[in-house]
Amino acid sequence: KAGVTQTPRYLIKTRGQQVTLSCSPISGHRSVSWYQQTPGQGLQFLFEYFSETQRNKGNFPGRFSGRQFSNSRSEMNVSTLELGDSALYLCASSSRTSGNNEQFFGPGTRLTVL
Amino acid sequence: AQRVTQPEKLLSVFKGAPVELKCNYSYSGSPELFWYVQYSRQRLQLLLRHISRESIKGFTADLNKGETSFHLKKPFAQEEDSAMYYCALSGYNNAGNMLTFGGGTRLMVKP
Repeated sequence: KAGVTQTPRYLIKTRGQQVTLSCSPISGHRSVSWYQQTPGQGLQFLFEYFSETQRNKGNFPGRFSGRQFSNSRSEMNVSTLELGDSALYLCASSSRTSGNNEQFFGPGTRLTVL
Repeated sequence: AQRVTQPEKLLSVFKGAPVELKCNYSYSGSPELFWYVQYSRQRLQLLLRHISRESIKGFTADLNKGETSFHLKKPFAQEEDSAMYYCALSGYNNAGNMLTFGGGTRLMVKP
């Protein structure tokens, strides 16, 4: 099975712009979660989507949003970018079948805000 | 609120020495605990989970509910074990699948 893929891998934006990141889960996985990784805050949960519905949301401002499509692919959007949004954004997929919620991570999208 | 604490940011040992990476958690319900590893230039991957109670690459971890700990251990460290290790907790909050990660411990195994 192909692993989780994320596009683009690198992105440079300026303050005030918006950005959309994409994640394709492992085939058959219906759950997609997003995490932000920074040197200062570590790995922090953003949100999870399952069957096109947001199931859980982390403690991030409303500028961070996401969605999931019927094929389970997911996008996250950050509007009005701030310097502090510079981070590695990780996507993880899971089958979420009974007793198995192992999450498989993608390589990440490194976002730099100038 | 759920929290995971990894007190050591860096752990340096010699090859063949025992290794213990500490992880403490706080969670009001029954947590599911994981250890993830990230080798240089590779993606984050699951090392082991407490439910399966298995040993992967010689590593084991036992959930101690009394001490709210999930320490990762290996009796004899190898150079290829050098990596970043993250302890994580899943609490099934709101029927979701959120992972709360510790800050990570960088393990360096010296020859």
